[in-house]
Amino acid sequence: AQKITQTQPGMFVQEKEAVTLDCTYDTSDPSYGLFWYKQPSSGEMIFLIYQGSYDQQNATEGRYSLNFQKARKSANLVISASQLGDSAMYFCAMRDFNTGKLIFGQGTTLQVKP
Amino acid sequence: DAGVIQSPRHEVTEMGQEVTLRCKPISGHDYLFWYRQTMMRGLELLIYFNNNVPIDDSGMPEDRFSAKMPNASFSTLKIQPSEPRDSAVYFCASSTRRDRGLGSPLHFGNGTRLTVT
Repeated sequence: AQKITQTQPGMFVQEKEAVTLDCTYDTSDPSYGLFWYKQPSSGEMIFLIYQGSYDQQNATEGRYSLNFQKARKSANLVISASQLGDSAMYFCAMRDFNTGKLIFGQGTTLQVKP
Repeated sequence: DAGVIQSPRHEVTEMGQEVTLRCKPISGHDYLFWYRQTMMRGLELLIYFNNNVPIDDSGMPEDRFSAKMPNASFSTLKIQPSEPRDSAVYFCASSTRRDRGLGSPLHFGNGTRLTVT
């Protein structure tokens, strides 16, 4: 069965610094995708970045990058040059490519301090 | 291009009443998901559909919950009878296999905040 774990309920980071949000997953399938979403206090779910299990390179999207370590089954999100607007809840998610099912981790609340 | 549309945005009802949440996915998307978000349990997958067919409803809490997708542009999640512990934000999301196949992201609606008193 699939499982996805975010062990940091809350994180603080100073504005302009980089921060890493942890995500580990468990699956027996070789084919899957990993996603990160941001949920600001307004409640909407915003897609940030995607990594496929067969992708050779770590994904990057602007200030977001995904540190994908397949052997360790981790897919940490790195946010560089944090901004006040990055304060939000961040969710890691995994999609099973056999079934299409997508599940989320528990989320990490990030607060950026000025 | 309209996103995923959910209605109502807010619903307040009394215990024992029937509640129906509605979702219109993005046109052309072939997957539709229903999630429930609470502080205690996070984002739980309730059920998902592929081409209007329910694929996995193992996350539906109990028989009081039911979901349908009568066509590609509409889905409902019904709770009958509702209970206070059903209070949560319910999200609908859709995705397509275009571009990246199942690597394409889910697009979420704005959610329905349900309060059962």
